[in-house]
Amino acid sequence: SAVISQKPSRDICQRGTSLTIQCQVDSQVTMMFWYRQQPGQSLTLIATANQGSEATYESGFVIDKFPISRPNLTFSTLTVSNMSPEDSSIYLCSVGGTGTGVYEQYFGPGTRLTVT
Amino acid sequence: AQTVTQSQPEMSVQEAETVTLSCTYDTSESDYYLFWYKQPPSRQMILVIRQEAYKQQNATENRFSVNFQKAAKSFSLKISDSQLGDAAMYFCAYRDRNSGNTPLVFGKGTRLSVIA
Repeated sequence: SAVISQKPSRDICQRGTSLTIQCQVDSQVTMMFWYRQQPGQSLTLIATANQGSEATYESGFVIDKFPISRPNLTFSTLTVSNMSPEDSSIYLCSVGGTGTGVYEQYFGPGTRLTVT
Repeated sequence: AQTVTQSQPEMSVQEAETVTLSCTYDTSESDYYLFWYKQPPSRQMILVIRQEAYKQQNATENRFSVNFQKAAKSFSLKISDSQLGDAAMYFCAYRDRNSGNTPLVFGKGTRLSVIA
């Protein structure tokens, strides 16, 4: 299994500002995934981040709003830009497993974002 | 596209009793993985159990077991001897058999309450 940390764990932000969320993994992984979980809802995939290439965004999510960086095989950032109260959610970083757990997916502890 | 359906938004169970959470899915693939994740109030996503579609034998992990019916595309989770710590959101998830490169598809979740 992979150990994943996220920073910050929570934040309260003013509308119109931006927040960058960091995701650090304790091992090298090819793919990293960013999810959004709105209050009381399931997880929705925002984008898939592959090291060395542009992130692939899901329908309804655009790079201008959610720019992603993937500078190396253990780190990624997600920025939530020009925030509005509708962006208040939990944002989770996730990675695919390796070895015997290659078909599993592991999650960071999440970042709880509140936009006022 | 694959979809995952959890038809029970909420369930409750008496401590020490058994509860079954339902999940159905839709896919045209023959080889895939199915998962149950638990999300307690801490919001950390915890992998509970995994089932490979090519295996007829139902997966078990201590008090957790599944009833996998491939023809019916059904994947239910049984929790035996329920404990207070089992109270959480439970998400059923699907993934194509692809080495960690495709993200999970989640159901909407079932909130489980455990009554002392």
